[in-house]
Amino acid sequence: AIRMTQSPSSFSASTGDRVTITCRASQGLSSYLAWFQQKPGKAPKLLIYAASTLQSGVPSRFSGSGSGTDFTLTISCLQSEDFATYYCQQYYSYPYTFGQGTKLEIK
Amino acid sequence: QVQLVQSGSELKKPGASVKVSCKASGYTFTNYAMNWVRQAPGQGLEWMGWINTNTGNPTYAQGFTGRFVFSLDTSVSTAYLQISSLKAEDTAVYYCARVYDSSGYSDHWGQGTLLTVSS
Repeated sequence: AIRMTQSPSSFSASTGDRVTITCRASQGLSSYLAWFQQKPGKAPKLLIYAASTLQSGVPSRFSGSGSGTDFTLTISCLQSEDFATYYCQQYYSYPYTFGQGTKLEIK
Repeated sequence: QVQLVQSGSELKKPGASVKVSCKASGYTFTNYAMNWVRQAPGQGLEWMGWINTNTGNPTYAQGFTGRFVFSLDTSVSTAYLQISSLKAEDTAVYYCARVYDSSGYSDHWGQGTLLTVSS
């Protein structure tokens, strides 16, 4: 199985900050990577697919980049509603593994 | 609009079985596959597998074979997850999630079903 490693696992930031979360795969994925946001008690929400394509309705402050084994999710200007846990997921090969998650907290 | 509505929370004893439902609306059910994802308390997301809603063919991730069964009732646009011989470690929230355009990733998710296994 492909192992997905996110960094950092958690960190604190302030409203207005620019933040970047990294996801590294144990083998190449081409661009078969998605990013999800999850808030406590809620289902995950799709933000990005195909590594860099913004899902309809997702604010443009979210962006994704990368291919192969290294990927990033960037939030350009943090808003209060962005404090949540973020997961990457590869859908290149079975099983479609998730990263362990990155918890973004308010500083 | 696309909606996936799952059945309510369940409390089961070890050794029992449970069947979780996921009713889809707002799109043609058989045009999109369905993923199942588990989230243990305080933990991350774990992909359990998927079911082809056109053929009914399931694919299970390692660790979800044997006791876990994905099924469908296309007449009511509903997918099911059945878990037998329940163990305490099956305690988790289970999500169904529509697979977008045969790609593999999920664009719409159910609200989740909390399963608690306890004696």
